[in-house]
Formats: sequence, structure tokens, C-alpha cells
Amino acid sequence: QKEVEQNSGPLSVPEGAIASLNCTYSDRGSQSFFWYRQYSGKSPELIMSIYSNGDKEDGRFTAQLNKASQYVSLLIRDSQPSDSATYLCAVITGTASKLTFGTGTRLQVTL
Amino acid sequence: GAVVSQHPSRVICKSGTSVKIECRSLDFQATTMFWYRQFPKQSLMLMATSNEGSKATYEQGVEKDKFLINHASLTLSTLTVTSAHPEDSSFYICSAWGDQETQYFGPGTRLLVL
Repeated sequence: QKEVEQNSGPLSVPEGAIASLNCTYSDRGSQSFFWYRQYSGKSPELIMSIYSNGDKEDGRFTAQLNKASQYVSLLIRDSQPSDSATYLCAVITGTASKLTFGTGTRLQVTL
Repeated sequence: GAVVSQHPSRVICKSGTSVKIECRSLDFQATTMFWYRQFPKQSLMLMATSNEGSKATYEQGVEKDKFLINHASLTLSTLTVTSAHPEDSSFYICSAWGDQETQYFGPGTRLLVL
């Protein structure tokens, strides 16, 4: 079982719709969770971080964490074509402050 | 937010030569930096953790003698790919923990070994 799992996609949503990206992780002791966006040929940029169960909102983005289900998600409201990218879920496992990444979900926002 | 730079952004070299990639934290000090490698259509894979003033910690399967890491100051870590071969061609990205428990990534270095 992979430590961090994501559906590779592509996930296609029309402009203006809500995009829902999901991630599961295997280490129940994980405490810190991150969503990064990566455009083709570029390095990742941080979108959201979340540490507690529940929702965390930042503009059009909402991260949701459910530690009991070992599940973290990212919702993007009012999706724009510029949101088209690969979204990487990352988790800190263990005590070495190392990020473990999922394989990423490719999002396509269509006109 | 914190800024991490990398140099060069792109490098092409002949097989058998060595290539050095620099990673700098521009507006903060980083006692720990991380080096990742990303092959096309794959996720980031952590290669090693670079520790200022001490030896790097390599992930399983990463050859420490091939990927030399030096972290001589609080703002600079270097990765040297020794005796590079075509299979080493990849996108190399460094990162460092900045404030607010956020890991910031450099822009990456694309290595092509001919």
C-alpha cells in the first residue's frame, strides 16, 4: 500500500464548477497535511496546509481533513482554466519532517 | 513567504561528466534542506535530507557516492551528480522549511545527460 494515494485523473470540470480532489494516507500518526499545485515543467507551490480535523478555507480553496478515515481533500470553487494543473497531496510522516507526496491528480478546467 | 532559488535552471551535459546544482534560501536560514527528483509524469521522490554542518541523510536506494550533497552554510546546499548518465536526466528540486511550518520549493533544475 502506498503511503499517500491519489487518483491520477485527469479530473475534468467545466469552468465555474467545484473541483473535488481526494487523498488518503496510510500512517495513522500523520499530523500535517499539505496540498501543492504543480504546473507542467514547474516546481510545486503550496496551496493549503491543514493540521486539525474539519475544514479550512482560503479564498476559493477549502481543505478538509478526517483523521479517523485517514482522508484529506481539496475543494476548488468557481474553477478557472488557470487552475488546470497537477495537485499533489503531501503528508509529514514520522519525526524527520519529511514530506511524502502522492502521485498527484491532474485537473483540467474546460471552457 | 520564503524564497528558495536554484542554479542552474537547466543544464545539458555529456555522459560521464559531473554536474553541480546549487540551492539557496534567499531570505531565511535553513538548517535543513531537501533534494527531490521528479521523472516525467511521476511525483516527487525525496532523494536526501541535507543538514547544515553534517552529513546528508539519503533515502533508500539513492547512491550517496553518486549524488554528493554539501550543506556548508545556513543558506546554501549543493547537489553534485557525479559521472552522470542518461538515466540521471530528470527534474531536480530542492526545498527548505520556512516559517509557519511551510516547505518552500526552489524552481527546479532540469538536467539532460546526453
